[in-house]
Amino acid sequence: QQQVKQSPQSLIVQKGGISIINCAYENTAFDYFPWYQQFPGKGPALLIAIRPDVSEKKEGRFTISFNKSAKQFSLHIMDSQPGDSATYFCAASNFGNEKLTFGTGTRLTIIP
Amino acid sequence: DARVTQTPRHKVTEMGQEVTMRCQPILGHNTVFWYRQTMMQGLELLAYFRNRAPLDDSGMPKDRFSAEMPDATLATLKIQPSEPRDSAVYFCASGLNTGELFFGEGSRLTVL
Repeated sequence: QQQVKQSPQSLIVQKGGISIINCAYENTAFDYFPWYQQFPGKGPALLIAIRPDVSEKKEGRFTISFNKSAKQFSLHIMDSQPGDSATYFCAASNFGNEKLTFGTGTRLTIIP
Repeated sequence: DARVTQTPRHKVTEMGQEVTMRCQPILGHNTVFWYRQTMMQGLELLAYFRNRAPLDDSGMPKDRFSAEMPDATLATLKIQPSEPRDSAVYFCASGLNTGELFFGEGSRLTVL
């Protein structure tokens, strides 16, 4: 019940394209869904997060879409740039509790 | 510039040796987490503390791993004896009950 399933494992997108990463969770008690971005040799860093009272949250080129009934959420990166090349982790928790359950990660590569 | 500091950044040791990794959380943060990252398993939670008290170490192999917080500015993760399967990047992260975790840059451990 604690799992968060993430796909795809790796993704190659052309510069300017849309990158989409999907996650699904099982625990209906989760009410906080962040995405973390990790560059090589660095620790993960919070990119964007959503709570289930909204179905979408946008920050610049990054958008989270949330489907509560399907227990799924996704990250969309619009106008993908080479600097977006990184590993992305979805996660879930109870809001205010930083004990995050992470997905397995998606290695995103943006090619010119 | 507040950040989580981890030492050592890299460690190569031989099987059977003791390894100690240290973490200085961000001043004022009251939660501290230890994660292990491998290609196969992604980010695994090993242990976490709130106000220096251990809350969950169920992800940690108890026979060889131990985690402590001697004071609010220091968290340690010890492996004794180390084994080749312990080779991974170990991350420390801290938080302040906002849901966001701040990660250090990790300690890359290689056990020969």
